[in-house]
Amino acid sequence: GAGVSQSPSNKVTEKGKDVELRCDPISGHTALYWYRQRLGQGLEFLIYFQGNSAPDKSGLPSDRFSAERTGESVSTLTIQRTQQEDSAVYLCASREASGGSSQYFGPGTRLTVL
Amino acid sequence: GEDVEQSLFLSVREGDSSVINCTYTDSSSTYLYWYKQEPGAGLQLLTYIFSNMDMKQDQRLTVLLNKKDKHLSLRIADTQTGDSAIYFCAERSGSARQLTFGSGTQLTVLP
Repeated sequence: GAGVSQSPSNKVTEKGKDVELRCDPISGHTALYWYRQRLGQGLEFLIYFQGNSAPDKSGLPSDRFSAERTGESVSTLTIQRTQQEDSAVYLCASREASGGSSQYFGPGTRLTVL
Repeated sequence: GEDVEQSLFLSVREGDSSVINCTYTDSSSTYLYWYKQEPGAGLQLLTYIFSNMDMKQDQRLTVLLNKKDKHLSLRIADTQTGDSAIYFCAERSGSARQLTFGSGTQLTVLP
């Protein structure tokens, strides 16, 4: 079936504007993750959703960042009042419910804040 | 907290074997992963190994795990130009749900 999809693929915005990034996980995957990848660096965990449980928000860098997920479907990551240091690729991953399974990543959204 | 370290660059000749190394600190790691990232693309899961294994082979890929030294390696046999990419090592610990990634190793395959 289809893999993880993300939109938009690229987003250029002005400092201070809000942006919304979208992730469509693999159908049937109950776990969903958001990561951030700054240029030349590894991935930083942002937030994790598992079914109807309360999300693990421990990786969100500030209260300007928030994310929502309705049930086991689409998730949106919102960044309010964007700053230049928010420029990065934002990657979404999904995973089946079973404990040993792997995370499958989407292509990412490249965010550039001018 | 957890930490995952990788060397930043590796160059090999086409046809040679590549060995990419990774060290991690969390002794409770349950799964260790290798991901490949090509320019402008997302992360592709290559392989993973459970912490009670010491070796896993999948076609040209061999993963070796030394749990005592917390050292993981990825060997790519008969490296091709299409293998040029950034390779990320990641660990998933028992108590955590997310992956902790290394900063990636840029593999360059020379003709």
